Amino acid sequence: SQQGEEDPQALSIQEGENATMNCSYKTSINNLQWYRQNSGRGLVHLILIRSNEREKHSGRLRVTLDTSKKSSSLLITASRAADTASYFCATTGYGQNFVFGPGTRLSVLP
Amino acid sequence: NAGVMQNPRHLVRRRGQEARLRCSPMKGHSHVYWYRQLPEEGLKFMVYLQKENIIDESGMPKERFSAEFPKEGPSILRIQQVVRGDSAAYFCASSPPPGSGEKLFFGSGTQLSVL
Repeated sequence: SQQGEEDPQALSIQEGENATMNCSYKTSINNLQWYRQNSGRGLVHLILIRSNEREKHSGRLRVTLDTSKKSSSLLITASRAADTASYFCATTGYGQNFVFGPGTRLSVLP
Repeated sequence: NAGVMQNPRHLVRRRGQEARLRCSPMKGHSHVYWYRQLPEEGLKFMVYLQKENIIDESGMPKERFSAEFPKEGPSILRIQQVVRGDSAAYFCASSPPPGSGEKLFFGSGTQLSVL
């Protein structure tokens, strides 16, 4: 089954810096989504990019998708301490379910 | 409009007992997903249900685990004869019917601890 795989596994940056996380997957997709999880809580949807899109923005978030490389990146600009969380990518294919990767744990230090 | 509601938030069971985890999807959502998460790990897909119908249970262990989503009432994930290895956070997510929005809305999870 298709699977998103994020890297790095963990990322530690200073407040104000940009954070970049990557996601790779294996098979054709319908769309790719990024979610955020604060410790002990459920996931919250951040942004969705469709297979025919290359880039998408939402506030301080920028997502790119390269279907030829089967990869996506999530950029968080001007990070804040409140951005500290785990970030997951999830892929959906035609008739297939949401499959999540292992996530990137982001720590933003004040 | 309440979000996805899961209860209980924490559940403690002794080995051999049964665990029942409940999930009420968002209003208007007819599809429910169950995921399991171990500490510091990602979410493992377990089962995908529509009302009165299991769509995909490829992630469910063959024994002791079952799930249902009846016409009325919440979705239930049932674990019989729990073992220590069942200790984990179990998350439920709901979505509207396919074609009307593809993102998942998650509950806050049930933390199952098996003593």
